[in-house]
Amino acid sequence: KAGVTQTPRYLIKTRGQQVTLSCSPISGHRSVSWYQQTPGQGLQFLFEYFSETQRNKGNFPGRFSGRQFSNSRSEMNVSTLELGDSALYLCASSSGTGLYQETQYFGPGTRLLVL
Amino acid sequence: GDSVTQMEGPVTLSEEAFLTINCTYTATGYPSLFWYVQYPGEGLQLLLKATKADDKGSNKGFEATYRKETTSFHLEKGSVQVSDSAVYFCALSGITGNQFYFGTGTSLTVIP
Repeated sequence: KAGVTQTPRYLIKTRGQQVTLSCSPISGHRSVSWYQQTPGQGLQFLFEYFSETQRNKGNFPGRFSGRQFSNSRSEMNVSTLELGDSALYLCASSSGTGLYQETQYFGPGTRLLVL
Repeated sequence: GDSVTQMEGPVTLSEEAFLTINCTYTATGYPSLFWYVQYPGEGLQLLLKATKADDKGSNKGFEATYRKETTSFHLEKGSVQVSDSAVYFCALSGITGNQFYFGTGTSLTVIP
């Protein structure tokens, strides 16, 4: 099976712009979670989507949003970019059956640099 | 709420040394526990997991045992190699939906 894929791998944007990142989960997986990773804050949970609905949400401002399509692919959007949004954004997929014993499988990440 | 506390790094070891990275957790009920590894420039890879008390997860010479009495899931390896240099994350999957909680990560450098 192909793993989790994320596009693009690298992005450079300027403050005030917006950005959209894409994630394709493992075939058959219905849950997609997004994380922000920075040297100072570590791994922080953004949100999780299951069957096109946001099921869990972390503590990020409304500038961070996401969606999931019927084929389980997901996008996250960051509007009005700030310098502090520079980070590695990781996507993870799981089967999403709701059992808490699931395993999350991660993509390689999108590295965003905001200038 | 659920949380994971992980040993602070960085850790530097000589090749063939014994490795322990401590991880303790706080959770409601019976979470599943995981260790992930992140190599430079890459995403996280699942290293091992345990889904119930006294389970031992193992992979590539790494082991961790789910200890409910001490709420711990320490990672161990008997003889580290240079190729084990990476950042290691302890994580738990709680009972409140499919949300993971990660530790802060421990950077390991193995020198020849």
